[in-house]
Formats: sequence, C-alpha cells, structure tokens
Amino acid sequence: AQTVTQSQPEMSVQEAETVTLSCTYDTSESNYYLFWYKQPPSRQMILVIRQEAYKQQNATENRFSVNFQKAAKSFSLKISDSQLGDTAMYFCAFILAPGSQGNLIFGKGTKLSVKP
Amino acid sequence: GAVVSQHPSWVICKSGTSVKIECRSLDFQATTMFWYRQFPKQSLMLMATSNEGSKATYEQGVEKDKFLINHASLTLSTLTVTSAHPEDSSFYICSARRSGGQKETQYFGPGTRLLVL
Repeated sequence: AQTVTQSQPEMSVQEAETVTLSCTYDTSESNYYLFWYKQPPSRQMILVIRQEAYKQQNATENRFSVNFQKAAKSFSLKISDSQLGDTAMYFCAFILAPGSQGNLIFGKGTKLSVKP
Repeated sequence: GAVVSQHPSWVICKSGTSVKIECRSLDFQATTMFWYRQFPKQSLMLMATSNEGSKATYEQGVEKDKFLINHASLTLSTLTVTSAHPEDSSFYICSARRSGGQKETQYFGPGTRLLVL
C-alpha cells in the first residue's frame, strides 16, 4: 500500500523568506503522480504544483518549486519570497499512474504560517 | 478552467433531517467525482468515489445507506446525508476528475460545513 508522510506538523517563515516543506512517500510502483495542495483558512483546496514521476525535471510554478528525488522517494516543496497569503495547510498527495483510476493519497499536512 | 462548485456552502439542520449537498464541475466534464470528509486540523478522508451513470464506490467504514451519492450527469454529483445526527457534523469536500486531459488531477470544490443540532 502507498503512504505519504509529512513530518512537519507546523512551520513558520518570515515574509519574503524561503521555506521548504518536506514530503516522503512509499510505493513499489515506478509510475505515479505527486501533488502539493494548499488549503488556506477558507478551506478551499487549491492545486499548487504537480509532478509526473517519469519526468526528472522538477516542476515549478512561479514562486513554488519542488525537489523530486525519486530514488529517495522524497518530494519537497520550496516556497520562495513567502507572502502572507501563503499561510495555509499544505498537503502532499500521491496517485498511481495512469491516474484515471485509483484515489489520491494525502499526507497529514503541514501548517505554514507566514509572519510579517 | 477547472472550477468546481459546491452548494450549499454551509448548512445547519435538526437531528433526524436529511441534507443534500451538490457538487458541480462548471467548465469541464467529470466522469468521476469524489466525496471527502475533513475533521478539524486533519487531512481529507475519502468517503466515496462517484462515477457518472453508475453506483458509487464507498470506502470501508462509510455507510452507503447513510451517505447517498448520485452522479446523474457529467457535471453534477450529489451527497445526501440521511437522518443526520450531531456526529455527522463536519466539513464535506467534493472533487472532480476531468474526462479528458490530465485525468490524474483532481479539482476541489470549496466545501460544505454541516452542523447538525
């Protein structure tokens, strides 16, 4: 069975600084997808970034980038130039390819607070 | 694109009544929709997977007669909490998976807060 672990229940960062959220996962499969979702206080789940396991290049979306280490089964999220609006719960998630079947497996989340 | 709406956004009801929550994909077709429940300060717990035109698949421990799911069209799934009780109070979130394109990606609705008195 696949599992997703987020070892940091809470983190804080000063505005404009950089922060990295950790995520590890466990699977015996080689094809899968990884995601980071953000859940701000409004509780709307927002897709932050998506990574395909067969791609070696790390995904980036503006200030958000990942460090995908397939051999280590690690998928960390780096937020650069942190903004107050980045304050949220961040969930790492996994799904086996092809993805059209099967369910997302979520980690327990990391609560990020961005301080002015 | 990829907007998912939920209605209502919050509901308060008396114990014993039924509550229906709608989940709509506004700008794409979704052959599969998912219903999650989230307790405070916890992750999302999958309740069921809903496929258009077929019966929903429920996760272990979720009562199918308690949580009725209907996915009558490619853009609408409904969750009905029947004979609601205070322990059903929670935050319910739906998500939808596109019928084309990036099928592995789920897009989430804004959630529904249910309070049963």
